Amino acid sequence: ETGVTQTPRHLVMGMTNKKSLKCEQHLGHNAMYWYKQSAKKPLELMFVYNFKEQTENNSVPSRFSPECPNSSHLFLHLHTLQPEDSALYLCASSLDPLGVDEQFFGPGTRLTVL
Amino acid sequence: DAKTTQPPSMDCAEGRAANLPCNHSTISGNEYVYWYRQIHSQGPQYIIHGLKNNETNEMASLIITEDRKSSTLILPHATLRDTAVYYCIVRAGANNLFFGTGTRLTVIP
Repeated sequence: ETGVTQTPRHLVMGMTNKKSLKCEQHLGHNAMYWYKQSAKKPLELMFVYNFKEQTENNSVPSRFSPECPNSSHLFLHLHTLQPEDSALYLCASSLDPLGVDEQFFGPGTRLTVL
Repeated sequence: DAKTTQPPSMDCAEGRAANLPCNHSTISGNEYVYWYRQIHSQGPQYIIHGLKNNETNEMASLIITEDRKSSTLILPHATLRDTAVYYCIVRAGANNLFFGTGTRLTVIP
């Protein structure tokens, strides 16, 4: 247990569905992140939120829409996804967005797009 | 960010020390060396980080050369549960980590 939880752990959706991934951290951290890990590829950073404000968007398609209502919760809203979006989606948090502290990762959501 | 080079795979006998090398010849003075690992289909786990001094914690030791161009992660007594992909990352801060392909460590019984 890292203090970062993600739900659901597994998700299967069609290309026309709308779904959301949820991440919650119980560590009092101020920065949260979404990563994508496709099969046999390195982790790719998608979004960074510092103190609820989005500070980084690594050219992610608009069919992925993040939301950070407070420092403890992070969502990733999904709509009209493609089969190539099937991947492990990981959430992480860190204490100080400008510091050198480590990131704590959740267990991930395994997404399959049919 | 400084790029890192790691061997794609290594084997280690159970109970022996696992020494995982990392080259980062273009590292800047303010960049730290971080190590994470990822056990199959789980989220990455932080192991250790350092700037220029050697570091040790309950999981591992980090040895950084004097010129800081390379480092070695040491797992003193490898167990089967240490089988994972190990990532060496060089970054000025923890905010944006670039995970490369890492080293796949297999601990053999």
